[in-house]
Amino acid sequence: GDSVTQMEGPVTLSEEAFLTINCTYTATGYPSLFWYVQYPGEGLQLLLKATKADDKGSNKGFEATYRKETTSFHLEKGSVQVSDSAVYFCALSRDDTGNQFYFGTGTSLTVIP
Amino acid sequence: DTGVSQNPRHKITKRGQNVTFRCDPISEHNRLYWYRQTLGQGPEFLTYFQNEAQLEKSRLLSDRFSAERPKGSFSTLEIQRTEQGDSAMYLCASSLGGSGGYTFGSGTRLTVV
Repeated sequence: GDSVTQMEGPVTLSEEAFLTINCTYTATGYPSLFWYVQYPGEGLQLLLKATKADDKGSNKGFEATYRKETTSFHLEKGSVQVSDSAVYFCALSRDDTGNQFYFGTGTSLTVIP
Repeated sequence: DTGVSQNPRHKITKRGQNVTFRCDPISEHNRLYWYRQTLGQGPEFLTYFQNEAQLEKSRLLSDRFSAERPKGSFSTLEIQRTEQGDSAMYLCASSLGGSGGYTFGSGTRLTVV
């Protein structure tokens, strides 16, 4: 069945470090891929998405490219800030309707000054 | 409209009791979703509504679980005869159509003792 495998955490980085959080997926057909972020005490928020192969999603300095050949959607940011500390979830939906998401287990990121 | 509202934020109940959670979506959103998130895991899909119609249910939604959205606005999720394994965060989300534009609530944390 459809699934998402996400890099395990927790991840601790110094401010201004480069961030990569790995995400690979298994799906039939052509899923849409998403990154959600959950700040402490808050609900999940959509960070970025990509709906087809080679699409790049970007938001708030974060980027992820939909790689069909490697079934991956790795999240990157060139220079993290303390305010980026949160849990990041990779997710897929079977199509662009977003009727049902399959989430990874989440990666906790802590950025220290 | 400030987003998706879930009540209560926390619920502690004794095993065997019934509990009901409420979700108020963003008013113009026609779709409403319920997910369950256990510690260290990503959210798992339970069910979704388009307006008042419940269109999809996960196998996770046993016969002790029931969800309603009677007028296509707010929704309730009821768990009957709670078990310790029901302890989790129950998340609600809403969207206008698909395309992954979910807005999540902050969740209701259920603890069954």
